[in-house]
Amino acid sequence: ETGVTQSPTHLIKTRGQQVTLRCSSQSGHNTVSWYQQALGQGPQFIFQYYREEENGRGNFPPRFSGLQFPNYSSELNVNALELDDSALYLCASSLGAGGGYTFGSGTRLTVV
Amino acid sequence: AQKITQTQPGMFVQEKEAVTLDCTYDTSDPSYGLFWYKQPSSGEMIFLIYQGSYDQQNATEGRYSLNFQKARKSANLVISASQLGDSAMYFCAMTHTSGTYKYIFGTGTRLKVLA
Repeated sequence: ETGVTQSPTHLIKTRGQQVTLRCSSQSGHNTVSWYQQALGQGPQFIFQYYREEENGRGNFPPRFSGLQFPNYSSELNVNALELDDSALYLCASSLGAGGGYTFGSGTRLTVV
Repeated sequence: AQKITQTQPGMFVQEKEAVTLDCTYDTSDPSYGLFWYKQPSSGEMIFLIYQGSYDQQNATEGRYSLNFQKARKSANLVISASQLGDSAMYFCAMTHTSGTYKYIFGTGTRLKVLA
C-alpha cells in the first residue's frame, strides 16, 4: 500500500505566475485535504475534496483552487502568486471525510 | 473561536528521559478530537496519538501518552524514554465532528533530544 505522494517536492516561481501542485492519494482513499504551512507556523486548512466535489474551504482567496480526479488524485492551483504564498503545501488523504488522514511530505513553494 | 495553543516554541530533553509537550485548546463544541503529529525535517506529518472528547481514559500509543484534562482544556503529550530520533517539530491539532472535518493546528514545539 503506497502512501500519499506529492509532486514536485520543491519549486521556485516568480510573483504573478501560476502554479499547480499535485497529490496522489493513498490507495483506497477518496478524500483529499490541502494545507498551507508557512515557515514557523502550523498548517492552515485550504480546502477539502470528497469524491471530486469541494467539501469545505478555509480562509483562502479564490485564486487558490483545486480539483479531484476520478482516481482521487488531486491538484492545487494558485494563480497570481504573491510572496506570502511561499510555504510548504501539504496534502492529506483519507477514506471518507471523517478522518484517519495520511499526509504527504509536501511541496515547498518559494515565490520570488 | 476554535484554537490550539502551544506555548513552548522549543524544548530540550536528555536521551532516555521523559518530556511533556503542552497543548491547550478552545472550543465550544462538545464533540471534538485531539491529535498529536510529529513533523521531521522531511516535512510529512506523522500521526502519533488521538484522544476523543468523550473518551474516559487517556490515550496511549507505545512511548506516547496524552494527558487529557477536559476541564482545563489541555491535551499534553508525554514522550517517555526519549530517543535521538524523536527530535522534530510536534504539532497538536483539533477536529470537530460538525462541519467540514479539518484539522486546526497549533504553532508547534521543536523538540531536541540530547545524547
